Amino acid sequence: DGGITQSPKYLFRKEGQNVTLSCEQNLNHDAMYWYRQDPGQGLRLIYYSQIVNDFQKGDIAEGYSVSREKKESFPLTVTSAQKNPTAFYLCASSIDPDSYGYTFGSGTRLTVV
Amino acid sequence: QKEVEQDPGPLSVPEGAIVSLNCTYSNSAFQYFMWYRQYSRKGPELLMYTYSSGNKEDGRFTAQVDKSSKYISLFIRDSQPSDSATYLCATRPLSGGYNKLIFGAGTRLAVHP
Repeated sequence: DGGITQSPKYLFRKEGQNVTLSCEQNLNHDAMYWYRQDPGQGLRLIYYSQIVNDFQKGDIAEGYSVSREKKESFPLTVTSAQKNPTAFYLCASSIDPDSYGYTFGSGTRLTVV
Repeated sequence: QKEVEQDPGPLSVPEGAIVSLNCTYSNSAFQYFMWYRQYSRKGPELLMYTYSSGNKEDGRFTAQVDKSSKYISLFIRDSQPSDSATYLCATRPLSGGYNKLIFGAGTRLAVHP
């Protein structure tokens, strides 16, 4: 079955730690995206990648970093510079950057303890 | 002013009711309109999309777009408890390279038996 797998489902981070959220897709999609979802704010774009070895900042990239070394994988690192990292993180992909039909993963809930 | 405004609800209706979910947008360049459904602790899934003004029907769901008033709606007929979810509207400009989706904050819907 094709889809997007995000792991872990729940993640706890101590103050000052970097953590990496995994996102893997087997849909052969070119474009991948990371969103942050907070109550009442909708989905906000963190980073996106239109093709392997290329990625661009979204609206709220500060304190985050990504890599796109393989077509299937788009990990997100939440660094200690991100002041308010507690949120629900969603990874998505689309067949190409021009597509409006995104496939989303099931998300990772990150909590700072 | 947010580019897409959506009433967060919650909206609670009895089973069998007709549900109306609405969004307004501010940018006349937005040409594609989508509705995503998100169950609790899951990623959103694409429910419907439309390009032109007017109605588009798919089973119990009807998407309506009024570009003159920048207003989009999703109607659910004969609502079921399984329709209980958060519904997010999304929009983007006409194609031409990468154009990010702009999401509304989502409306939480509860359909009770």
